[in-house]
Amino acid sequence: GEDVEQSLFLSVREGDSSVINCTYTDSSSTYLYWYKQEPGAGLQLLTYIFSNMDMKQDQRLTVLLNKKDKHLSLRIADTQTGDSAIYFCAERGSYIPTFGRGTSLIVHP
Amino acid sequence: KAGVTQTPRYLIKTRGQQVTLSCSPISGHRSVSWYQQTPGQGLQFLFEYFSETQRNKGNFPGRFSGRQFSNSRSEMNVSTLELGDSALYLCASSLGTTGRDEAFFGQGTRLTVV
Repeated sequence: GEDVEQSLFLSVREGDSSVINCTYTDSSSTYLYWYKQEPGAGLQLLTYIFSNMDMKQDQRLTVLLNKKDKHLSLRIADTQTGDSAIYFCAERGSYIPTFGRGTSLIVHP
Repeated sequence: KAGVTQTPRYLIKTRGQQVTLSCSPISGHRSVSWYQQTPGQGLQFLFEYFSETQRNKGNFPGRFSGRQFSNSRSEMNVSTLELGDSALYLCASSLGTTGRDEAFFGQGTRLTVV
């Protein structure tokens, strides 16, 4: 079945860039998403990319997609303490997205 | 517009009991999906309802069931609760008409089974 893999933790210093990586297996994925979950909250959609795109930039966020390797990354520029959260990668080939287990981003001063 | 509302926010139940969780989607959204989130398993898809019909189902036992009403509000029920059912249950709503529809999540219901 479909699978989405992410590393579990990432620790960065405030002001540095963060790069969260994700791999997926479903070659029919048409949409790939990044969600953010803060403590005690649901998931918030940060950004998404269509499978026919290589890159998408949205303010401090840059998404890179390597469709050949089925690799997706999210880069957060100038990471702030408010960016500390769990980040979920998700792929969608049909109506239901498949989520990774989430990467806990820890930003320290 | 109002977001996705899940009630209650917190629940404590005893093993063997049953529980019903509620989700009110964003107005106009016809699809409601339910997920179970645990530290060990991450986010696991339970089922999706669209226009009062279950359209997709994940790999959960029959103790987990759901339904959707004509106003798109959805409930999920878990019978004969087990300790392992302790989790954050999230629902997400979307228009549900195309694969590009953005899913909006509620804050979740934290269920603790003791």
